[in-house]
Amino acid sequence: IMLTQSPATLSVTPGESISLSCRASQSISTNLHWYQQKPNESPRVLIKYASQSISGIPSRFSGSGSGTSYSFTISRVEAEDVATYYCQQGSSNPLTFGSGTKLEIK
Amino acid sequence: EVQLVESGGGLVQPGRSLKLSCAASGFTFSNYYMAWVRQAPKKGLEWVATISTSGSRTYYPDSVKGRFTISRDNAKSSLYLQMNSLKSEDTATYYCARHDYGGYSELDYWGQGVMVTVSS
Repeated sequence: IMLTQSPATLSVTPGESISLSCRASQSISTNLHWYQQKPNESPRVLIKYASQSISGIPSRFSGSGSGTSYSFTISRVEAEDVATYYCQQGSSNPLTFGSGTKLEIK
Repeated sequence: EVQLVESGGGLVQPGRSLKLSCAASGFTFSNYYMAWVRQAPKKGLEWVATISTSGSRTYYPDSVKGRFTISRDNAKSSLYLQMNSLKSEDTATYYCARHDYGGYSELDYWGQGVMVTVSS
């Protein structure tokens, strides 16, 4: 299953709200997880199963979607959110990741 | 506190072998599926392997199937990745990660990663 993320890069002003897209090549029935990877750090999970929150993750991170179309939203972007965001499907093997969206702060 | 610490990386020639290890602590290792994920320099994430709690089931993408073997020792709370017939395209940082529940669940904890460079 291929995952297509868009945009590849996003440059935003602190305080803006943004949405990232992840489209699957076939239905993955909300078996979709979102990760954040800050520069020179390991990835960390932010959202599981398309929209379920993760303990300890700020509530300004959220997800939605179904079927083949998913989105990840950051409400009120902060400077510390500079990172690459990846979606990953857990519907079938091989597990696959999207190519990532790099978030930059203006 | 959950900790995953990888070791065993380094420079290796094409065609040779290398074995990575991951020492787990802070949780009951035998209760969790575990995985390896890699990231080539300046590239995205690629899943490499997953192993069931008992080690009886393993899963790989085609890119490493037949060359890489994931294994675990629950008594030692350790995960391994035996990499054979290494190619230049295997050059990457390799992360050990824990599946939250089952082999399709999210990867909720990650190690710091270990670098593998395949070059002559």
